Amino acid sequence: AQSVTQPDIHITVSEGASLELRCNYSYGATPYLFWYVQSPGQGLQLLLKYFSGDTLVQGIKGFEAEFKRSQSSFNLRKPSVHWSDAAEYFCAVGAPQNRDDKIIFGKGTRLHILP
Amino acid sequence: EAQVTQNPRYLITVTGKKLTVTCSQNMNHEYMSWYRQDPGLGLRQIYYSMNVEVTDKGDVPEGYKVSRKEKRNFPLILESPSPNQTSLYFCASSDQALHSYNEQFFGPGTRLTVL
Repeated sequence: AQSVTQPDIHITVSEGASLELRCNYSYGATPYLFWYVQSPGQGLQLLLKYFSGDTLVQGIKGFEAEFKRSQSSFNLRKPSVHWSDAAEYFCAVGAPQNRDDKIIFGKGTRLHILP
Repeated sequence: EAQVTQNPRYLITVTGKKLTVTCSQNMNHEYMSWYRQDPGLGLRQIYYSMNVEVTDKGDVPEGYKVSRKEKRNFPLILESPSPNQTSLYFCASSDQALHSYNEQFFGPGTRLTVL
């Protein structure tokens, strides 16, 4: 079965600084990969997803993520964060070859923004 | 507007008093799912449904029931709630049975406290 790890529980960056949130997965083939964001008091919203093709994926709100097969990683990046980016971010992995076709979510990384 | 709605948004109840959290989506999605979110544990799937009258257990189904009599609705039932079911609950839906390929749309969440 697939699994996903987000090594950082909390990340704090200054407004305007660059951001990288880490995500590592375990799966025997190329998985489906997602990043979701959860703003305070709200449900999750999809930022971006990767299935195949170009390993650099662009998403909404200025985010991008890069799939690196050799490192089993799918890190989320943003060149300059805004105070409104403070939220919890979830990496998720889907397994195309699994019969139960389930998505597994990481435990999340909470992003704090310093003014 | 395409959306997933949940009711109630907040609920405080006592141990053993049966409750139902409703979930409805207006996107004609086949796949629906319930998650619970707990600090440090991320999102864990409780139950999911591939289509009407088709439901299956997720990772943490104990103490919960679901039904899928109509495509748009997927209620979560706690027959005898206990304090360890105090959590934030999310309903989600996605298009087509091969759901891991697709974006999941999340409801706003239901915060449940069981005293």
